[in-house]
Amino acid sequence: EAQVTQNPRYLITVTGKKLTVTCSQNMNHEYMSWYRQDPGLGLRQIYYSMNVEVTDKGDVPEGYKVSRKEKRNFPLILESPSPNQTSLYFCASSPLLYRVSPLHFGNGTRLTVT
Amino acid sequence: ELKVEQNPLFLSMQEGKNYTIYCNYSTTSDRLYWYRQDPGKSLESLFVLLSNGAVKQEGRLMASLDTKARLSTLHITAAVHDLSATYFCAVLPSTGNQFYFGTGTSLTVIP
Repeated sequence: EAQVTQNPRYLITVTGKKLTVTCSQNMNHEYMSWYRQDPGLGLRQIYYSMNVEVTDKGDVPEGYKVSRKEKRNFPLILESPSPNQTSLYFCASSPLLYRVSPLHFGNGTRLTVT
Repeated sequence: ELKVEQNPLFLSMQEGKNYTIYCNYSTTSDRLYWYRQDPGKSLESLFVLLSNGAVKQEGRLMASLDTKARLSTLHITAAVHDLSATYFCAVLPSTGNQFYFGTGTSLTVIP
């Protein structure tokens, strides 16, 4: 089944404790991206990647890191999480061929930082 | 600063009624996407609009795009309870590879 898989689905952590949210897609998509969803703000892009070893900042990259060492994986790293990073996070991928394809979203990761 | 504005943010409508959700954006683009999100769920793609004047329909939903006005609409015909969800529009600017989402419209269809 074609899908984008995020883990974990729920995560509660404390301020300053490094964490990684994994994202993997099995559709051979070039484009992968991370978003955070907050009430009243919609989805805001954190980082995106056009292909292996190519990453770019979105609108809200502060406090986050990403890497794209393999085409299928695009982990989101919070080196020192803070309470303002409590949010619902989505990973998404797209073939982006001729810029016509929609994003395929993972099931989301709800992160709480205390 | 690029903006994508949706109106209304909240919409409560009776079954059987018609309504339109508006999506205005502030950049040059001919790529407009509509997504649906059910409570506690992920986003699923509804429509991809690729050019000025594009119109797509699926069941009771119809989406259109006016690139000159920088406006997309999502029209709901004869609403049913199953359409209750949050709807997002998203824009991919003509230059660049970053998607910009609207704030979402939370639709509740009341029997």
